[in-house]
Parts: sequence; structure tokens; C-alpha cells
Amino acid sequence: RKEVEQDPGPFNVPEGATVAFNCTYSNSASQSFFWYRQDCRKEPKLLMSVYSSGNEDGRFTAQLNRASQYISLLIRDSKLSDSATYLCVVNLPTGGFKTIFGAGTRLFVKA
Amino acid sequence: DTEVTQTPKHLVMGMTNKKSLKCEQHMGHRAMYWYKQKAKKPPELMFVYSYEKLSINESVPSRFSPECPNSSLLNLHLHALQPEDSALYLCASSQVHGSMNTEAFFGQGTRLTVV
Repeated sequence: RKEVEQDPGPFNVPEGATVAFNCTYSNSASQSFFWYRQDCRKEPKLLMSVYSSGNEDGRFTAQLNRASQYISLLIRDSKLSDSATYLCVVNLPTGGFKTIFGAGTRLFVKA
Repeated sequence: DTEVTQTPKHLVMGMTNKKSLKCEQHMGHRAMYWYKQKAKKPPELMFVYSYEKLSINESVPSRFSPECPNSSLLNLHLHALQPEDSALYLCASSQVHGSMNTEAFFGQGTRLTVV
């Protein structure tokens, strides 16, 4: 089983749609969780950290369920500029600070 | 300043060449990372340095040799690479708090082509 697994995508949605991405992780002792966004031929950029209490940043809401080892990202009122690959990232509790990426989910928002 | 700087941005090298990729950060981060990313794949962890010591080597072939001269710099020395090593090489850094690291900040990457 992979350490971090994501919905395969791609997701094709119209502008204004709400879209949700899911991610599961295998190590129950994983310490911290993030969503990154990566545009074509660019580096990954932090979108938001994910907390058990849930956190919201404008149109984006992230949620962590430690019992189910599940992370989600909700994007409301999708914009054309949201088109990108969304990567689920987990810091593993091994010595040495191991930061692992999920395979990523490609989002296409169309007019 | 939340910037990780990588040089060069592009590199073409022959299979017999020796070259180095460089990475620099001035955020006081004590964990630094090398990732390799192939097209349409996620970044794949290669090496992690924490407090200037190599803490993780993900079974990377010895033709890739990392070096951390000080807390701000990270190098990746390349020798006798193969065409399949062509990829985007990403450097990242993060803060460390005890046994935990925080979010990683990435450089723009070096796009490497081995001919």
C-alpha cells in the first residue's frame, strides 16, 4: 500500500462548481499534513496546512480525520485559475523528516 | 524572505560529464531536501539533510551525491548519469521543531537533460 494515496482524477468542472479532493495515508503516526498546488512546469507551492479542527482560506477548506486517516480539500466557486495539480503531502514520523507526496489530482476548470 | 534559490534553471549534460546542482535558502531552515520529478508524476524524495547531516537516502544510485556545506546550502553532484535521469530536480527546505518538520518551501527546480 502506498504511503499517501489520492483520487486519480482528472477532474473536469465548470466555473463556479464545487469540487472535493480526497487523500488517505497509511501511517497512523503521521505528524502533519498539507495541500500543495503545482502548475505545469512549476514548483509545488503550499496551498494550506491541514488540521483536525478543519481550516478555511477563502474558497478553500481543508479537513483532517485522524481516525480514518483521511484528508480532504474542498474548493468552492471554482475559477479558471484553479486549474492545476493538487498534491496531498504528509510528514512521516520517521527520524529524518520524511515529507511524502501523493500522486496528485489534476483539476481542469472550464468556462 | 521565503525563497529557495536553485541554480542552474536548465542543464544539459552528457553521460560522461560531472556537474553540480546548487540550492540556497536564508530562512534559517534546518531541514533541506532533494526531490526528483518526472513528467506527470509527483515529486519523489531522494535525500534529506537535517542539521547539515544526511538523515535520509531513499536508495538513490551513487551517481547522485548530495552535499550540505553549511546550513544554507545544499548541492547535488552528478556523475555518469543516464538518459532516464532526465527530470526536474527540486530542492526544498523546512523548519524543524524538535522531532517535527513544518511545511516545505520549494525552489523553482533545475530541469536536467542527459544526452
